[in-house]
Amino acid sequence: QQQVKQSPQSLIVQKGGISIINCAYENTAFDYFPWYQQFPGKGPALLIAIRPDVSEKKEGRFTISFNKSAKQFSLHIMDSQPGDSATYFCAASKTSPPEETSGSRLTFGEGTQLTVNP
Amino acid sequence: DTGVSQDPRHKITKRGQNVTFRCDPISEHNRLYWYRQTLGQGPEFLTYFQNEAQLEKSRLLSDRFSAERPKGSFSTLEIQRTEQGDSAMYLCASTLGRGYNEQFFGPGTRLTVL
Repeated sequence: QQQVKQSPQSLIVQKGGISIINCAYENTAFDYFPWYQQFPGKGPALLIAIRPDVSEKKEGRFTISFNKSAKQFSLHIMDSQPGDSATYFCAASKTSPPEETSGSRLTFGEGTQLTVNP
Repeated sequence: DTGVSQDPRHKITKRGQNVTFRCDPISEHNRLYWYRQTLGQGPEFLTYFQNEAQLEKSRLLSDRFSAERPKGSFSTLEIQRTEQGDSAMYLCASTLGRGYNEQFFGPGTRLTVL
């Protein structure tokens, strides 16, 4: 069961352009939505994250837009640079209350390979 | 470097051999997670620890897999009788604990089973 669906699978943009990656989730209990950046041979690095109580969060060139009713969220990379070329993963998790043993496991999307041409 | 560290970074083994990986989380983090990532896919949850207690295991974690975190600090993941299908990147992540969602990943251990 794929609980987080990500698109597109690959994306090519020109330097200075806007990169947009979309994700949709099914589990309405999810309350934390991070984006990770991964370079070949490296572990995922946390980029930016959002909770459902806000519709947008911006950090530098990275913006998350969140639509709770549609159960969708997206990552926008403004002024894309060749150094942004990497694989991007959206993810989702549910914050577990203190009395529960279930951890806040991350459920990842399939990934988007971004290439920014110079 | 105070990030999550993993050892070894690469492991090549023959089918049927046992392998063990180590993860050292960020020092004040008491939750530790293991994920597996195959080529072209996102990481998939395997198991997690709250301090030394293993509290949740995925169905992906077959009987050949075992994980420990004996003193609530570093963790080990052992795979017995490895199979070619075990070839993957094994990732470790840590977070502060309950109520904190931000997970920070290590560089991973790339396992190749011949």
